[in-house]
Amino acid sequence: GESVGLHLPTLSVQEGDNSIINCAYSNSASDYFIWYKQESGKGPQFIIDIRSNMDKRQGQRVTVLLNKTVKHLSLQIAATQPGDSAVYFCAENIDGATNKLIFGTGTLLAVQP
Amino acid sequence: EAGVTQSPTHLIKTRGQQATLRCSPISGHTSVYWYQQALGLGLQFLLWYDEGEERNRGNFPPRFSGRQFPNYSSELNVNALELEDSALYLCASSLHRGTDTQYFGPGTRLTVL
Repeated sequence: GESVGLHLPTLSVQEGDNSIINCAYSNSASDYFIWYKQESGKGPQFIIDIRSNMDKRQGQRVTVLLNKTVKHLSLQIAATQPGDSAVYFCAENIDGATNKLIFGTGTLLAVQP
Repeated sequence: EAGVTQSPTHLIKTRGQQATLRCSPISGHTSVYWYQQALGLGLQFLLWYDEGEERNRGNFPPRFSGRQFPNYSSELNVNALELEDSALYLCASSLHRGTDTQYFGPGTRLTVL
């Protein structure tokens, strides 16, 4: 398959701190990127997206940064809360013709009270 | 507004049997996607349906098939079940074709014994 995830990276942060989750994407032709949050036993929940003509986009407490030069995406969560604890996935959409999302391996965010 | 719904929540089958999983997209969404999330392997794209037609298919054998009905709901069928088919099957929908945001349902946990 195209998504390989033999080991899930973990980021442990203190409640109230800022979190930064990183993702390296695979295809330089990808033009649309999405961050999803997945809590245990649930489906992925949309957080924020960004198109390739932008390098930064902000939402409520979240910011996504896109660096096309090094094919890197990051998700910043301000004032991390216990409810933010989940697995975070980045996904890239290579083109609208196939509309297939390629997911990263995921990062487990653990928020310590 | 109701999100993507999937049924059943859990499904237990034995090797060689067939499984049928169902998905109802968000109202107004015409595209439906199926993904497999096996333990340790992340999310892998299975199928994309739009306007009743199969538009794209991931790297899965032909025993994985599906269809989309006139009301845009969808069904995923897995024939001749194998132990490694045990996974969370996620359905997503988007408003239109192209790089529109995909919103996920809660998934169906398929266990093959």
